[in-house]
Amino acid sequence: KAGVTQTPRYLIKTRGQQVTLSCSPISGHRSVSWYQQTPGQGLQFLFEYFSETQRNKGNFPGRFSGRQFSNSRSEMNVSTLELGDSALYLCASSPTLGGDEQYFGPGTRLTVT
Amino acid sequence: ILNVEQSPQSLHVQEGDSTNFTCSFPSSNFYALHWYRWETAKSPEALFVMTLNGDEKKKGRISATLNTKEGYSYLYIKGSQPEDSATYLCASMNYGGATNKLIFGTGTLLAVQP
Repeated sequence: KAGVTQTPRYLIKTRGQQVTLSCSPISGHRSVSWYQQTPGQGLQFLFEYFSETQRNKGNFPGRFSGRQFSNSRSEMNVSTLELGDSALYLCASSPTLGGDEQYFGPGTRLTVT
Repeated sequence: ILNVEQSPQSLHVQEGDSTNFTCSFPSSNFYALHWYRWETAKSPEALFVMTLNGDEKKKGRISATLNTKEGYSYLYIKGSQPEDSATYLCASMNYGGATNKLIFGTGTLLAVQP
């Protein structure tokens, strides 16, 4: 079974631009969660999608948004990028909503200049 | 506000040493406690998911215990090997309202010297 894939793996953007990151979960997994990791911080929860609906949301500004498609693939969008958005963005999938072990992708390294 | 705290922040041990880390989490409305291993240049990989007070789980030389009443979990590594070098993350899920999400600690960085 193929693992979680994320594209692109690396991205460089300038302040004010927007960016879209993509995540394809393991086949059959319906839950996709997104996390941000910055130096010195743990994984910060962004949001979780299940059956095309956002089920949980972390404490991030409205510039961070996401969606999930009928095939469970998910995208995350960040608008009006700020320098502080530079981070590793990880997505994770699990078979169902809530509590299951998370299967993480390799991450997208976003650098905002 | 939910806080998951891990200690120590980092640990350097010699090959063959046994070691343990601590994860403390909110005990109210507890649902599940996860442990992950995150090796450099790889993705976090699940070690254990525990839900019941008194749970003990084992995978090879690694084991974990859970105390949901007092809100802590221990991860033990017996006879550490260089390949155990990684960051070990714990995460708590507590249910109710907006808190149905995994809250991660900042991790314990383990370096095993050969």
